[in-house]
Amino acid sequence: SQKIEQNSEALNIQEGKTATLTCNYTNYSPAYLQWYRQDPGRGPVFLLLIRENEKEKRKERLKVTFDTTLKQSLFHITASQPADSATYLCALFTGGGNKLTFGTGTQLKVEL
Amino acid sequence: NAGVTQTPKFRVLKTGQSMTLLCAQDMNHEYMYWYRQDPGMGLRLIHYSVGEGTTAKGEVPDGYNVSRLKKQNFLLGLESAAPSQTSVYFCASSYEGAATGELFFGEGSRLTVL
Repeated sequence: SQKIEQNSEALNIQEGKTATLTCNYTNYSPAYLQWYRQDPGRGPVFLLLIRENEKEKRKERLKVTFDTTLKQSLFHITASQPADSATYLCALFTGGGNKLTFGTGTQLKVEL
Repeated sequence: NAGVTQTPKFRVLKTGQSMTLLCAQDMNHEYMYWYRQDPGMGLRLIHYSVGEGTTAKGEVPDGYNVSRLKKQNFLLGLESAAPSQTSVYFCASSYEGAATGELFFGEGSRLTVL
């Protein structure tokens, strides 16, 4: 069956360090992959989109990689801040039906 | 801009009751979506629309109906609510389709069915 896996355990890091979140998928061949941020009680907010022919995408302190061989995307936040604390969702588009499939998200906590 | 607005934000229903969730967007987006979010399940697509007057089924459409009579509005209806429909419902819209289109989400509607 098709599956998207994000670490369900919260990731705790110290302020200033680089946070790395993982999105693994099986039985998909996604053409596009997106990352969203979700704060408690709020709707998700779009962060980055990466295409299957792109290895890496950057936006300010954010960096996303996309390895279609490993079937994995890594999401990095450099120089992390307490304000970066949130749940981060990855989402895949595999073609057809305008269906974006979301992972369950990983909660990031950045401590002082 | 208000973006995507959902009403109501909270609602408690009894089993068998009906209700409608309203989603309104002011960005002139063609595409609109209804998702539900449950603990440990992630966001799941219920129904979506690629333009005014069109609707299509998503991953979990059973027990829900939708209508897109105006471009800016997308309604989600529950004809006979069941406890399994207790969830947080999110509406989203996008200028392009889900492949390359950034989804703009509302703040969510928390529904409890007793």
